[in-house]
Amino acid sequence: GESVGLHLPTLSVQEGDNSIINCAYSNSASDYFIWYKQESGKGPQFIIDIRSNMDKRQGQRVTVLLNKTVKHLSLQIAATQPGDSAVYFCAETPAGNMLTFGGGTRLMVKP
Amino acid sequence: NAGVMQNPRHLVRRRGQEARLRCSPMKGHSHVYWYRQLPEEGLKFMVYLQKENIIDESGMPKERFSAEFPKEGPSILRIQQVVRGDSAAYFCASSPPPQETQYFGPGTRLLVL
Repeated sequence: GESVGLHLPTLSVQEGDNSIINCAYSNSASDYFIWYKQESGKGPQFIIDIRSNMDKRQGQRVTVLLNKTVKHLSLQIAATQPGDSAVYFCAETPAGNMLTFGGGTRLMVKP
Repeated sequence: NAGVMQNPRHLVRRRGQEARLRCSPMKGHSHVYWYRQLPEEGLKFMVYLQKENIIDESGMPKERFSAEFPKEGPSILRIQQVVRGDSAAYFCASSPPPQETQYFGPGTRLLVL
């Protein structure tokens, strides 16, 4: 079946550098995408979302890019901090359906 | 405004016992979703409920699992006759209208001995 997947299961970055986490989706009917951050022992925390009528959306230190042509989603974190260390999930929802989560990417920030 | 509440946070059961997991959505949210997460894996959708209605249970195992969201009180995910394979983290999320951002609770970690 169609699913959301991630290219890099683990990403290690130096504190202060920028991080880019990628996600590929295959359901062309998806029109809403969310990035979640999950710290150890906690529930997923909403970071940022984007709808299919947009290519880019910015938040505080985070930017989500959506490329519908190649069905690719990315999360950019500027000036990565130790507190950003977590597992990041992308999720999609085709209209009328539930969230489908990707497998997750672990971000490790080296001090 | 309190977030999504789940209890208990940790639950230990022996094989064959029943597990009851509770979820109180955020204030003003009338839609509840349950997900299961195995270690080092993503979240798998189980069931979507509104008050007194099951909207989508396509992710629920056909046997031993049930969910409800009564008019009053929290949503309950019930697992009867638990087996070791039921050990996982169970997360509840809520949203106002559907297809909007879902906000997650802290989860219940079920361990079946």
